[in-house]
Amino acid sequence: DVKVTQSSRYLVKRTGEKVFLECVQDMDHENMFWYRQDPGLGLRLIYFSYDVKMKEKGDIPEGYSVSREKKERFSLILESASTNQTSMYLCASSFQGARFHEQYFGPGTRLTVT
Amino acid sequence: QKEVEQNSGPLSVPEGAIASLNCTYSDRGSQSFFWYRQYSGKSPELIMSIYSNGDKEDGRFTAQLNKASQYVSLLIRDSQPSDSATYLCAVRFYNQGGKLIFGQGTELSVKP
Repeated sequence: DVKVTQSSRYLVKRTGEKVFLECVQDMDHENMFWYRQDPGLGLRLIYFSYDVKMKEKGDIPEGYSVSREKKERFSLILESASTNQTSMYLCASSFQGARFHEQYFGPGTRLTVT
Repeated sequence: QKEVEQNSGPLSVPEGAIASLNCTYSDRGSQSFFWYRQYSGKSPELIMSIYSNGDKEDGRFTAQLNKASQYVSLLIRDSQPSDSATYLCAVRFYNQGGKLIFGQGTELSVKP
C-alpha cells in the first residue's frame, strides 16, 4: 500500500510566521506534488518535483517555496504566512516509471493563518 | 489551455440507483484518466484509472472512456449512502510528465 504522510492534520499560525509543511512517502516515488484546495477553486498545483533537489513551479507558486533534500521527503515553506494562505494543503506522489502516473495523496494539512 | 470540466452538482440519486458522473477534457492527445473520491474534510482517494477507449469495471464502479469525443465517465451501480462524496476527474495531458489536471469535482448525494 502506498503511504503518504503529512506532518500535521491541523495547523494554526500567525500572519508573518514562517511555516513548514512536510510530506513523506514510503514507496520510493520519484514525483512529488504540493496542492492547495479551496472551495470553488478546486485543486491547484503549487510546486512539484521529479527528483531530489529538483523543483518546478506549478500554477500558483507565489508566496511559497519548496525543498527536496531526500527522495522520500518534500517540504512546502510559506516564507511569511498571510491570511489568504489559509487553506487545505495536500501532498501527492507518483512513480515516474509508471506508464500512467497515478497520484496518491496524503491526508492533508488544514492550515489557518490568523 | 488545458481544461477538465465536470458538473459541480450536487447530483442526488436514491439508494440502489445508478449514479452517472461525467467529465470532459480539452486535449485530444490526453493519455491517462483518473477518478478520485473525496469525502468532506478528507483527501482524494484514487478509485479508478482508465487508459484505453471503452469500459473498465471494478466492483460497483465502471469507468468509460471515449477519446474521440473527449469524455470520461464514472458509473456507480447500486449506489449506497456511503458513496456520498465529491468525485474528482483527473487527466494527464500529452507531454505533461507526471502532472495531472483536476476537474472541480461533482458532489454526489445518495439518499436512503
